[in-house]
Parts: sequence; C-alpha cells; structure tokens
Amino acid sequence: EAQVTQNPRYLITVTGKKLTVTCSQNMNHEYMSWYRQDPGLGLRQIYYSMNVEVTDKGDVPEGYKVSRKEKRNFPLILESPSPNQTSLYFCASSFRRISSTGELFFGEGSRLTVL
Amino acid sequence: GQQVMQIPQYQHVQEGEDFTTYCNSSTTLSNIQWYKQRPGGHPVFLIQLVKSGEVKKQKRLTFQFGEAKKNSSLHITATQTTDVGTYFCAGPQDSGAGSYQLTFGKGTKLSVIP
Repeated sequence: EAQVTQNPRYLITVTGKKLTVTCSQNMNHEYMSWYRQDPGLGLRQIYYSMNVEVTDKGDVPEGYKVSRKEKRNFPLILESPSPNQTSLYFCASSFRRISSTGELFFGEGSRLTVL
Repeated sequence: GQQVMQIPQYQHVQEGEDFTTYCNSSTTLSNIQWYKQRPGGHPVFLIQLVKSGEVKKQKRLTFQFGEAKKNSSLHITATQTTDVGTYFCAGPQDSGAGSYQLTFGKGTKLSVIP
C-alpha cells in the first residue's frame, strides 16, 4: 500500500530535549516536505527536499533541521525544542514535475507538545 | 513572496445547503490544487486545475480556475455531513533554479448542521 509513515504520532517532551520525527515513503517520490499546522495559520512549510542530498528552507525553518540521505526517508530534527514548537506536524511527498509540484501525499501527522 | 488567500475561514451550513470557498493568489499560478482534511485527519488531495477557466466536477463538488489563473473556487452542492472538514487550496511557488513548493491557503473549515 502506497503510504507516508510518520513516527511518533504523539509525543510530549520537555524544552531542550532533542527529538527526531521520522518520515518514510514507499512511492519512490523525489519530493518530500515537512509542514506544521497551527489553529488559524493553516499549513506552513518548514523544509522541503527536491531529491537526495537536496534540501531547502520553507517558510518557517527556524529551530528545525532536516536531512535527506536516502530517497525514502526525510527526518525532521528539533535540536532544542521550545514550547512554540508545540504543533501538529505533517510529512508529505510527491513526484517532482517540471514547473509544478505534483499531488502531495500526506502522512497521518505527529502531534508534538513541548512543555 | 506569493500569498494564497482563502475565504471564508469558517462556514456553517444546514445540511442540504450549498457551500463555496474561494482562493485568491497574489501572482498568476501555473496550476492550483485542492485538499480536504477531515477532523483529526490529514490533508487528502482532491484535484488539480491547470488550464485558464477550467471547470472540473467530482459528484457534488465543482472546481473552477479563473481566467487569469489567479483565483479558484470550490463549490459543494447540497452539503452532507460527510462533507465536514477543512478545505485547502494550494498553489506552486517558484523558489528559483527549477525548485517549486506549494503554498497553502489557511483553509475553510466547513461545519454541516444535520
């Protein structure tokens, strides 16, 4: 089954404790991206990757890191989480197309609470 | 940078009434996508519009792309409780060097009163 898998789905942590949210897709997609969703703010892009070893900042990259060592995986790293990073996080992937980003397939989301 | 504005933010309708959400971009879009997110769920792709003035239908849902390719709308006829959720539009933003990313509107949250 074609899917984007995120882990963990739920996490409560404390300020400053490094954490990683994993994302894996089995559709051989070139493009992967991380979004955060907050009430009233919609979906805001954190980082995206056009292919292996190619990553770029989205609209709200501060406090986050990513890596793309393999095509299928795109982990989101919070080196020193702060309470303002409490949010619902979505990983998404798609085939890359010229002049466009194809249909995005989203993971089920990871709800992160930073105390 | 490009902005994608979506209105209304919230819409409450009686079951059976129609519903429309509108999306406006500050720049011309090469295409526009629509997604639906059910409560507690993740966004799911509905459709992509590419041509100026394009109209596409999916059962009770009608999607339109403006002639100038700067606006779009989603219209639901005779809403049902299964239509509840948040509807997002998204347009590609040119990030340079052939790199494109989707910019999402803030979404319209639809509530349907039985």
